[in-house]
Amino acid sequence: AQSVTQLDSHVSVSEGTPVLLRCNYSSSYSPSLFWYVQHPNKGLQLLLKYTSAATLVKGINGFEAEFKKSETSFHLTKPSAHMSDAAEYFCVVSEWGGGGADGLTFGKGTHLIIQP
Amino acid sequence: EAGVTQSPTHLIKTRGQQATLRCSPISGHTSVYWYQQALGLGLQFLLWYDEGEERNRGNFPPRFSGRQFPNYSSELNVNALELEDSALYLCASSPGRGPGTDTQYFGPGTRLTVL
Repeated sequence: AQSVTQLDSHVSVSEGTPVLLRCNYSSSYSPSLFWYVQHPNKGLQLLLKYTSAATLVKGINGFEAEFKKSETSFHLTKPSAHMSDAAEYFCVVSEWGGGGADGLTFGKGTHLIIQP
Repeated sequence: EAGVTQSPTHLIKTRGQQATLRCSPISGHTSVYWYQQALGLGLQFLLWYDEGEERNRGNFPPRFSGRQFPNYSSELNVNALELEDSALYLCASSPGRGPGTDTQYFGPGTRLTVL
């Protein structure tokens, strides 16, 4: 079975400062990991995806995430926050190889607040 | 390229009624997924269709059902609506290689309100 824990329900940073959104996962098989962003009253947009290639994954809008198997983590970072980054961020795990297909398992989300 | 589309945008029903939500995937995608985003419960997997077949369902009662048409569009039906069914219902599509490696692309959602 797979699960994902987003360690912070809210993160507040000042514009221009670094962003760190933390995510830990649990998976019985080799997982695929994703970060999605949801702006208010909008659908989900894929930021980036890890599928057992390079452990440092670069995404859109300057975001990147590093897969650390030893720590079962997939934290999302951005060097410099922009006001438009204010949104809800979801860490997502998908498991393949167990013969099942459970769709995606979402974390509960981290609300990113950008202070001017 | 057109993205995933969903209709209607908003739907208001009363308890006991039936709701039908529709989803059109990205052209060339054969898999469609349905998710429920309810307040306080987060995003939960509902159903996965691929090539017209239901491949898997999440932990939801049988009154949540759906189907996928030959053109790969999909319907989600919710029977005997309950107040707690009020949520944003998101549809996603993917090329169909399987949820483990496929990237899922999401539509804007249908907001269902049950009164």
